Amino acid sequence: QKEVEQNSGPLSVPEGAIASLNCTYSDRVSQSFFWYRQYSGKSPELIMSIYSNGDKEDGRFTAQLNKASQYVSLLIRDSQPSDSATYLCAVPSGGYQKVTFGTGTKLQVIP
Amino acid sequence: EAGVTQFPSHSVIEKGQTVTLRCDPISGHDNLYWYRRVMGKEIKFLLHFVKESKQDESGMPNNRFLAERTGGTYSTLKVQPAELEDSGVYFCASSQVGGGEKLFFGSGTQLSVL
Repeated sequence: QKEVEQNSGPLSVPEGAIASLNCTYSDRVSQSFFWYRQYSGKSPELIMSIYSNGDKEDGRFTAQLNKASQYVSLLIRDSQPSDSATYLCAVPSGGYQKVTFGTGTKLQVIP
Repeated sequence: EAGVTQFPSHSVIEKGQTVTLRCDPISGHDNLYWYRRVMGKEIKFLLHFVKESKQDESGMPNNRFLAERTGGTYSTLKVQPAELEDSGVYFCASSQVGGGEKLFFGSGTQLSVL
């Protein structure tokens, strides 16, 4: 089993809709979780971090964490074409010094 | 504030040749990481420096890869001799001590081994 698993997509949503991106992880002791956004040909950029069970909202983005189910998700409300990118789920491991990434989900927002 | 810079941005070499990639982290960031993304795969950890010391090099594929960070500033990653399977995008990232999980990435070096 991979340490961090994501559906590679592409996930296509119409402009204005809610995009839901999901991630599961294998290490039960993980305490922090991150979402990075990577535009094509660019470097990953941290957009959300979450440490506690429940929801964390930042503008149009909401991260959801369920440690019992080992599941973390990212919701993007009012999706815009500029949100089209690959979204990477990342989980620290090895004493939090090493961050393990999922393969990423490619999101396409259709105008 | 300058971000993480990497060069070259692209490198095309033949199998058996040597290539050296360079990363300049954000000033003051003691943590420096190398990651690699092979096409279609996830971004994989290669190694982690804290200042000039190798903290974790468990992700280095084999002894053809050598990373250094002399003086705790910039880092180099040398591949010698390069093989076809070494092709991919090599990312460098840095972070502050205590902010270890918030990584700032460079734009990467696209390495193509022919």
